[in-house]
Amino acid sequence: GQNIDQPTEMTATEGAIVQINCTYQTSGFNGLFWYQQHAGEAPTFLSYNVLDGLEEKGRFSSFLSRSKGYSYLLLKELQMKDSASYLCAVTGNTGKLIFGQGTTLQVKP
Amino acid sequence: GAGVSQSPSNKVTEKGKDVELRCDPISGHTALYWYRQSLGQGLEFLIYFQGNSAPDKSGLPSDRFSAERTGGSVSTLTIQRTQQEDSAVYLCASSLVGVQSTDTQYFGPGTRLTVL
Repeated sequence: GQNIDQPTEMTATEGAIVQINCTYQTSGFNGLFWYQQHAGEAPTFLSYNVLDGLEEKGRFSSFLSRSKGYSYLLLKELQMKDSASYLCAVTGNTGKLIFGQGTTLQVKP
Repeated sequence: GAGVSQSPSNKVTEKGKDVELRCDPISGHTALYWYRQSLGQGLEFLIYFQGNSAPDKSGLPSDRFSAERTGGSVSTLTIQRTQQEDSAVYLCASSLVGVQSTDTQYFGPGTRLTVL
């Protein structure tokens, strides 16, 4: 079967660092995506990992360990506008994107 | 247009009626996807079109759901005899090549369907 797990909710303080974890079990692996979704809006692409290691993009970084079926999204210098849901998605053997339930992040002043 | 567009943005219908949802993908994108997102839930894959190939309908929840893509561009998702459990946001996405290349999917704003 295919399963992607993320925490349901997280809370962090403005200016801090937060790490959102994602574990997956899929039939094969072609890549892992992170999307951001603000309430009432469409998901927007954040990052893509296919090889082990850390991909850095400004305040956002994404890490992948294929052997452990594990990824995390790291958000630095949190801003209020970062309050959103963060969706982890994996492409398995079928190539289709399988999404986790998403992690709702609330940034507090 | 610059991005994926969907219409209508909101649709309220009565149980038992048919509805049609429209998606205009990014120009030049050959792959098109439909997803459903219920309140507080993740995205549920419905159907995928790639060029002229037969669509992957493996995610359609029942035979009341169907979709077509005309001329390799615009797509219409049709739900017949709507039920209250069909209430959700229906999201369309497109990508340049398709799932085999794991290229990035770009999402439209969605259609919020409410079945009374």
